[in-house]
Amino acid sequence: QQQVKQSPQSLIVQKGGISIINCAYENTAFDYFPWYQQFPGKGPALLIAIRPDVSEKKEGRFTISFNKSAKQFSLHIMDSQPGDSATYFCAAPSYPGTYKYIFGTGTRLKVLA
Amino acid sequence: DTGVSQNPRHKITKRGQNVTFRCDPISEHNRLYWYRQTLGQGPEFLTYFQNEAQLEKSRLLSDRFSAERPKGSFSTLEIQRTEQGDSAMYLCASSPGPHWRGLAGGPAGDTDTQYFGPGTRLTVL
Repeated sequence: QQQVKQSPQSLIVQKGGISIINCAYENTAFDYFPWYQQFPGKGPALLIAIRPDVSEKKEGRFTISFNKSAKQFSLHIMDSQPGDSATYFCAAPSYPGTYKYIFGTGTRLKVLA
Repeated sequence: DTGVSQNPRHKITKRGQNVTFRCDPISEHNRLYWYRQTLGQGPEFLTYFQNEAQLEKSRLLSDRFSAERPKGSFSTLEIQRTEQGDSAMYLCASSPGPHWRGLAGGPAGDTDTQYFGPGTRLTVL
């Protein structure tokens, strides 16, 4: 079963700065890569996702960049805000087989006011 | 509320007892997933349903665990003879699947998008 490697494990950013989180996968059954945001005691909430027929997708302050040949994708949070302080998980479809996701180990982001 | 709901939100039980959790997916979502999450880790896949058929089970799902989705709507996850190692957050997610036509006011988007519920926090004493 493939692994999804996520880095860094934790990140501290000043308000207004850029937060960058990276993920690498091995193989996937199909191309769909979501990022989830999770606050303590809550379930993961979908933040943004990409199908890599494009190399980049932007939604507001959040951007996914995708490098298919390197099997890597990253999340960029522009103008980071204290309310963005949460744990972020990347996910990749499992390989081989069905529609389950393999999640990264998470990045705990803290944005300082 | 059109989101995924889970009950109970918290469950404290003694070792050896049986517990059952319920998940109500987003209406008419074909696929339903159970994941387990321990502190500081990402969600780990447990099992997956397409309508009422359980199509895959993880090796994490020992014979003490059983899941059902009897009518292709809500699902239950039962843990028998609980152990302290079962303490975790149990997450349910649903996704539309390939034949979903959607409902007015429901979540839009990709058929592969998984929407998570708030989870059930299990503590085994």
